Amino acid sequence: DAKTTQPPSMDCAEGRAANLPCNHSTISGNEYVYWYRQIHSQGPQYIIHGLKNNETNEMASLIITEDRKSSTLILPHATLRDTAVYYCIVKSLLSGGFKTIFGAGTRLFVKA
Amino acid sequence: NAGVTQTPKFRILKIGQSMTLQCTQDMNHNYMYWYRQDPGMGLKLIYYSVGAGITDKGEVPNGYNVSRSTTEDFPLRLELAAPSQTSVYFCASSYVQGPNQPQHFGDGTRLSIL
Repeated sequence: DAKTTQPPSMDCAEGRAANLPCNHSTISGNEYVYWYRQIHSQGPQYIIHGLKNNETNEMASLIITEDRKSSTLILPHATLRDTAVYYCIVKSLLSGGFKTIFGAGTRLFVKA
Repeated sequence: NAGVTQTPKFRILKIGQSMTLQCTQDMNHNYMYWYRQDPGMGLKLIYYSVGAGITDKGEVPNGYNVSRSTTEDFPLRLELAAPSQTSVYFCASSYVQGPNQPQHFGDGTRLSIL
């Protein structure tokens, strides 16, 4: 699986958009980009995933660059409850889900 | 929906004791996983299962055993507890294997070995 690089921490004002970057420069063509978050030591929560097109769901938007070497998770209107550790992960068809590798993630602090 | 349920939520063990961490899911998922998470770190895969009767090792299997007799249940056993096994343990499941299926996680078991 391709490795990912994320900033260790970020701040965001409540009500503003939170933009969390992820670098995955070694990603290959069959690897998906996934985002999970972990709130206060609870189990990781799935947010969104994509292959090459931008994706949006009720929680967030995922913007993947054209060369797929980086992506950005966007929380459009961050709330205090969005304070969490956000993990960017790539998963490939060859290795499958069971070799999902979680890095240290980005700790997002949403401030009032 | 219950999703993935783990029991117990907390446990303290003495060195050398054994215990079983329980995990059950009600989503009829084929694939199940056990991870451990040490403080400030990401998750590391211990064992996984692709279906009833089939299990395989992950990144850090030493000191643990698993079984998968039913689709719903995937217990993790510690035979001789050691301080290095102090961690938070997460169970997860997914419908099928592959890169287009997210995993669903339980709320974890916090285990301390003293």
